[in-house]
Amino acid sequence: AQSVTQLDSHVSVSEGTPVLLRCNYSSSYSPSLFWYVQHPNKGLQLLLKYTSAATLVKGINGFEAEFKKSETSFHLTKPSAHMSDAAEYFCVPPRGSYIPTFGRGTSLIVHP
Amino acid sequence: EPEVTQTPSHQVTQMGQEVILRCVPISNHLYFYWYRQILGQKVEFLVSFYNNEISEKSEIFDDQFSVERPDGSNFTLKIRSTKLEDSAMYFCASSEGGPESPLHFGNGTRLTVT
Repeated sequence: AQSVTQLDSHVSVSEGTPVLLRCNYSSSYSPSLFWYVQHPNKGLQLLLKYTSAATLVKGINGFEAEFKKSETSFHLTKPSAHMSDAAEYFCVPPRGSYIPTFGRGTSLIVHP
Repeated sequence: EPEVTQTPSHQVTQMGQEVILRCVPISNHLYFYWYRQILGQKVEFLVSFYNNEISEKSEIFDDQFSVERPDGSNFTLKIRSTKLEDSAMYFCASSEGGPESPLHFGNGTRLTVT
């Protein structure tokens, strides 16, 4: 079975500084993984997905994530935070035979 | 880019009344979902729908809830007799299919039960 752990419930950064949102997975085989974002009062939006084609995945809004098998990680990064990046971020395994659930996620706070 | 659309954006109803929340999934998608999010809490899975039948449902999705795809475009969630605790944002989602297909979400319907 696949599962993910988002290590931080809140991450606070200043505008213009790098963003790192951490996600670790556990799987007995090479997984597929997604990052979603939820802005206030909006539905969830796909940021990017990893499906083993490339370890570095580029998503929307300048975000990217690197799949590191040795560390079982799929951390989300962005070189420079914008105020508009303030949102809830979710690392999610694929549906497969599982009920597609979203955990508590990581709340990104961006200070001016 | 095609979108999932949900109507209405806000719905206020009295306890005990029936409500129908409507969704138009992306046209070539095959899997449809309803989620809800109570204010300040996480997004909770309600039900998934494929090939004109429910494929999975959560414990939340009890006999008060039902889903329907009445035509080729709409996907509805009906709550038969609303309770105060049904107040939440309800999100519809769709996907092309297969375990690696991402979900595409609508902007949600805010349901307030008074």
